[in-house]
Amino acid sequence: EPEVTQTPSHQVTQMGQEVILRCVPISNHLYFYWYRQILGQKVEFLVSFYNNEISEKSEIFDDQFSVERPDGSNFTLKIRSTKLEDSAMYFCASSALTSGGEGQYFGAGTRLSVL
Amino acid sequence: DAKTTQPPSMDCAEGRAANLPCNHSTISGNEYVYWYRQIHSQGPQYIIHGLKNNETNEMASLIITEDRKSSTLILPHATLRDTAVYYCIVRVKEYRNKLVFGAGTILRVKS
Repeated sequence: EPEVTQTPSHQVTQMGQEVILRCVPISNHLYFYWYRQILGQKVEFLVSFYNNEISEKSEIFDDQFSVERPDGSNFTLKIRSTKLEDSAMYFCASSALTSGGEGQYFGAGTRLSVL
Repeated sequence: DAKTTQPPSMDCAEGRAANLPCNHSTISGNEYVYWYRQIHSQGPQYIIHGLKNNETNEMASLIITEDRKSSTLILPHATLRDTAVYYCIVRVKEYRNKLVFGAGTILRVKS
């Protein structure tokens, strides 16, 4: 069964450093998303991406965040200068362009620990 | 998107059916009911969705009341691996729309 792949599974970084979280969405999907989940809290939407541009972003997704689809398979989330409060699980998701309205499919996540 | 209300937790015996309720009394005509689950520390997993008819797939069944103000997710034969947080989400069926997760229902399947 096709799946969304995220790397690394765990990223440890120092406050102020840049991190790039990587995702390989399901191959025939065209919509891509990032969500995050701080430990013990709800899953929160960050950004959606389609046709090489951001479709929607939340208030969390400020100028420190950026997304990119550098090639035909990868989808990345960059945090320019990490803060302690960026520590969370980051989930990538993708969905197909169909009229069936199927759900979004999530990766296993990257645990980001900012020290 | 319409708001949903779910019980914070439920227990179910292994092998029995798990029936998870969701209230969405303010749902509008073009909003669908989606169910996801999150097994501890893993990414959310899509389960099923529906508009007004009952739906069934290999994972679960979704029963939506005629007035669409509530729904029930049914796991017909719950196993220990079904222990997870289950989220009921109401949203317009647009593939680019974000998912808004609430607190969900913690389902504990016990042997």
